[in-house]
Amino acid sequence: AQSVTQLGSHVSVSEGALVLLRCNYSSSVPPYLFWYVQYPNQGLQLLLKYTTGATLVKGINGFEAEFKKSETSFHLTKPSAHMSDAAEYFCAVTSNTGKLIFGQGTTLQVKP
Amino acid sequence: DGGITQSPKYLFRKEGQNVTLSCEQNLNHDAMYWYRQDPGQGLRLIYYSQIVNDFQKGDIAEGYSVSREKKESFPLTVTSAQKNPTAFYLCASKPAGGPRVNEQYFGPGTRLTVT
Repeated sequence: AQSVTQLGSHVSVSEGALVLLRCNYSSSVPPYLFWYVQYPNQGLQLLLKYTTGATLVKGINGFEAEFKKSETSFHLTKPSAHMSDAAEYFCAVTSNTGKLIFGQGTTLQVKP
Repeated sequence: DGGITQSPKYLFRKEGQNVTLSCEQNLNHDAMYWYRQDPGQGLRLIYYSQIVNDFQKGDIAEGYSVSREKKESFPLTVTSAQKNPTAFYLCASKPAGGPRVNEQYFGPGTRLTVT
């Protein structure tokens, strides 16, 4: 069985500070990992994904994530937060059956 | 532009009534999914369909029904048997092959309120 745990349901950072959103996964098969962003009352938008190959993946809006198999982690980072980054972020894992399993989400607050 | 549409954006119903949520995609994707989102619980899979005229139950299918008569459409019916229907419902689709085979594309969602 696969699962995803996002550490911290709310994260608050100052504008310009580093953003770090944590995600740990459990998977019995090589995982495909995703980060999605959701703005209020909207659908989910894919930020980035890891399937195979390079373990450091870059996404949209300056975000990146590193797949660490030994730590079963896929943490999301951005060097400098913008006010527009305030949203809810979801980490997800899937096998090659295509079903996505989501974490509970982390709400990012950016303070001026 | 290709994409996924869900209508309506907001839906209000009285308890005991069935209600159908629309999901249409023009991305030519084979697979389609319905998720339910509640605060603090992430997204949970209700039903999914990998091909026309076939669908499978997800993790929380009780009180819901779907159909997949056309590739473009995957409507979800919330029946009166669903005990807590008030939620945000998201539809997604995924291609069967190609470089984006593992990416699900999401619609804008329908917020259902049942009183």
